[in-house]
Amino acid sequence: QMQLVQSGAEVKKPGASVKVSCKASGYTFTSYYMNWVRQAPGQGLEWMGIIHPIGGSTSYAQKFQGRVTMTRDTSTSTVYMELSSLRSEDTAVYYCARGYSSTWPDLYYFDYWGQGTLVTVSS
Amino acid sequence: QSVLTQPASVSGSPGQSITISCTGTSSDVGGYNYVSWYQQYPGKAPKLMIYDVSNRPSGVSNRFSGSKSGNTASLTISGLQAEDEADYYCSSYTSSPVVFGGGTKLTVL
Repeated sequence: QMQLVQSGAEVKKPGASVKVSCKASGYTFTSYYMNWVRQAPGQGLEWMGIIHPIGGSTSYAQKFQGRVTMTRDTSTSTVYMELSSLRSEDTAVYYCARGYSSTWPDLYYFDYWGQGTLVTVSS
Repeated sequence: QSVLTQPASVSGSPGQSITISCTGTSSDVGGYNYVSWYQQYPGKAPKLMIYDVSNRPSGVSNRFSGSKSGNTASLTISGLQAEDEADYYCSSYTSSPVVFGGGTKLTVL
């Protein structure tokens, strides 16, 4: 059974960094790109970036360039998203989502999502 | 501000049909047949309902259907049920490489 299980909620102070994990199971980890999408309280969905599971190549949304780092560990089928220089506007639920497309780094849709990780940034 | 425009809310009575629109440009919705729709209950992760404009993943009710005309995509839910009350988001492939709509709250009266 396909599953994406994320790490637990985090509370961080402004200026700090947070690292969220997403462990995949039930499918061949290296066959699909993984994405991170966030949702601020009461707001819509916002794509942050994508990571290729084989080589670890990444592509980030311009908004997060320089602040986000996505990595993966193929031995544990886990992807990570680290966001630095946190500010209050980064308070959101962060989702990992498996992406589907035929070519890198295109993205046609997200077919499976993690349960979400709430990151709260507060002094 | 979201790139794709959706109505903030729609409503319908049980058994009726409703349609949610998603308007973009020729650079996203109008330029590719890669529009997808997601259903999200409060406090839950989004769920894929429609992909590639009109395809349903396995397990999604055939009451859900998708279409596109020009720069506007649509999600239609027929035979509305109480369990359909949720937020719905559209998404489209683009060069970015993906953009979302702002979401539509569906209320079943």
